Amino acid sequence: EAQVTQNPRYLITVTGKKLTVTCSQNMNHEYMSWYRQDPGLGLRQIYYSMNVEVTDKGDVPEGYKVSRKEKRNFPLILESPSPNQTSLYFCASSSTPGTDTQYFGPGTRLTVL
Amino acid sequence: GQNIDQPTEMTATEGAIVQINCTYQTSGFNGLFWYQQHAGEAPTFLSYNVLDGLEEKGRFSSFLSRSKGYSYLLLKELQMKDSASYLCAAHSGGATNKLIFGTGTLLAVQP
Repeated sequence: EAQVTQNPRYLITVTGKKLTVTCSQNMNHEYMSWYRQDPGLGLRQIYYSMNVEVTDKGDVPEGYKVSRKEKRNFPLILESPSPNQTSLYFCASSSTPGTDTQYFGPGTRLTVL
Repeated sequence: GQNIDQPTEMTATEGAIVQINCTYQTSGFNGLFWYQQHAGEAPTFLSYNVLDGLEEKGRFSSFLSRSKGYSYLLLKELQMKDSASYLCAAHSGGATNKLIFGTGTLLAVQP
C-alpha cells in the first residue's frame, strides 16, 4: 500500500530534550516536505527536500533541522524543543517537484512542556 | 505578499449543496488545490485546478478563475461524513512545489 508513515504519532516531552520525528514514504517520491499545523494559522511549511541531499527552508524553519540521506526518509529534528513548538506535524511527499499532489502522513502531535 | 482567504466556518444541511470560497494572492501561481481534513487526521487530496473553469468529480466540483484570484469548492448531496475542514492551497510557481495554505473552512453538516 502506498503511504507516508510518521513516528511517533504522539509525543510529550520537556523543553530542551532533543527529539526526532521520522518520516518515510514507499512511493519512490523525490519531493518531501514537513508542515506544522496550528489553530487559526493553517498548515505552514517548515522544510522541504527536492531530492537526496537537497533540502531547503520553508516558511517557519527556526528551531528545526532535517536531513535527506535516503530517498524514502526525511526526519525532522528538534535539537532543543521549546513550548512554542507544540503543534501537529505532517510530513508529505510527491513524485516530482511541480504539479503533483502531495500525499500526507498521519501526523505527529507534539507537546513540549 | 502571499495570502489565502477562506471562511472560517460554515454550516449546511444533509442533502443540500454548499459552496466554499477561496481567494488568493501569491507571487507566482501554478494552480489551486483543495484538500479535505477530518479532525485529527491528515489532509487528503480532493482537486487541483490549473485552468479556468469548473471541474466536476462526483459530488465534488471545483472552480478556478485565475484573473480574479478566486476558487470555490462545491459539495452536492451533502452527507454527514462531509463534516470536515476544507483547505484551499495555492501552488506557487517554480520547481519548489510550494503550497500556501489557507486556514481552512470547518464545515458542519447537520441532519
